[in-house]
Amino acid sequence: DQQVKQNSPSLSVQEGRISILNCDYTNSMFDYFLWYKKYPAEGPTFLISISSIKDKNEDGRFTVFLNKSAKHLSLHIVPSQPGDSAVYFCAASANFGNEKLTFGTGTRLTIIP
Amino acid sequence: NAGVTQTPKFRVLKTGQSMTLLCAQDMNHEYMYWYRQDPGMGLRLIHYSVGEGTTAKGEVPDGYNVSRLKKQNFLLGLESAAPSQTSVYFCASSPHTGTGGKENTEAFFGQGTRLTVV
Repeated sequence: DQQVKQNSPSLSVQEGRISILNCDYTNSMFDYFLWYKKYPAEGPTFLISISSIKDKNEDGRFTVFLNKSAKHLSLHIVPSQPGDSAVYFCAASANFGNEKLTFGTGTRLTIIP
Repeated sequence: NAGVTQTPKFRVLKTGQSMTLLCAQDMNHEYMYWYRQDPGMGLRLIHYSVGEGTTAKGEVPDGYNVSRLKKQNFLLGLESAAPSQTSVYFCASSPHTGTGGKENTEAFFGQGTRLTVV
């Protein structure tokens, strides 16, 4: 039972345009959500997070939106840059903490120069 | 800062052999985790620890054991390796945030251990 779902295995976006990565979850107990970025042969690195008391969190080119009623979150990257090409994982946890993260299956983002 | 360090980075085992993966963190984090990553499956939690001397099962614990004798180290053991345990293993650590965690607290990951069981 996949509690965190990333339905798009891959996404290609032209450099300079907006990249939108989507994530859905089924567990109502989740109240803290994170996005991780992963390059080949490296560990995931934290990108941005949001708690359920907010519906938007912004950090530079990265913005995460949370729609609790739809159990959906999205990551917007604008403008997209070649260095953004990586696999992006959505993760969720309960109790506003980052323990016991449940990960989605990832979306491979390719930025086309 | 070293952050989270995993050893070894690569290993090939024969079916039935045993081995231990070592994870060390220098950030004084309370929480430590072991995940495995398989194609099309994302990262799945094997075991985790909320403090020195404590461990708990995650989503896929069967075939693995762990120990947290020191706060900075978290060991993952395979007693009798099976081909199904071929995977990339990631260790992570995080501070304890409690309830009402602040924004942008996160888990830090090691670089991974690629394990092949033949």
